[in-house]
Amino acid sequence: EAQVTQNPRYLITVTGKKLTVTCSQNMNHEYMSWYRQDPGLGLRQIYYSMNVEVTDKGDVPEGYKVSRKEKRNFPLILESPSPNQTSLYFCASSLYSGQGYEQYFGPGTRLTVT
Amino acid sequence: AQKITQTQPGMFVQEKEAVTLDCTYDTSDPSYGLFWYKQPSSGEMIFLIYQGSYDQQNATEGRYSLNFQKARKSANLVISASQLGDSAMYFCAMREVNTGFQKLVFGTGTRLLVSP
Repeated sequence: EAQVTQNPRYLITVTGKKLTVTCSQNMNHEYMSWYRQDPGLGLRQIYYSMNVEVTDKGDVPEGYKVSRKEKRNFPLILESPSPNQTSLYFCASSLYSGQGYEQYFGPGTRLTVT
Repeated sequence: AQKITQTQPGMFVQEKEAVTLDCTYDTSDPSYGLFWYKQPSSGEMIFLIYQGSYDQQNATEGRYSLNFQKARKSANLVISASQLGDSAMYFCAMREVNTGFQKLVFGTGTRLLVSP
């Protein structure tokens, strides 16, 4: 089954404790992206990747890191999480980044930082 | 300025009726793509429909259609014959050529409630 998977689905952590949210897609997509969703703000892009070893900042990259060492994986790293990073996080992928390519979303990771 | 504006925080509709969810966008690019996604209470994001800026006809996918008015910069989603399972958040989003189509910018969403 073609899908985007994320782990963990739920995470409660404390301020400053480094964490990684994994994202994997099995569709051989070149483009991958991370979003955070907050009430009243919709989804905002954190980082994106056009292909292996090609990543760039989205609209809200502060406090996050990413890497793309393999085509299928695009982990999101929070080196020192803070409470304002409490949010619902989505990983997404599309075949390419062109105009008409819809993004397929993972199930989401709900993160709480206390 | 907001790139994508969804002015209806919430909408109510009765089962079997049609409903229109509004979306206006702001871009100076001639080339862009508009998307609608559905987010049910379970949280996943489901792609519904796509409209390209050069498409001559309004996009349709089953019970979903997109009322694309380019001069007015609007891309309203029309759901015909609403079903209880249509109750969800709906997001309008856009990809533009000036960002290399690398960003998908979302509106703040409209919550649709379908009543029996």
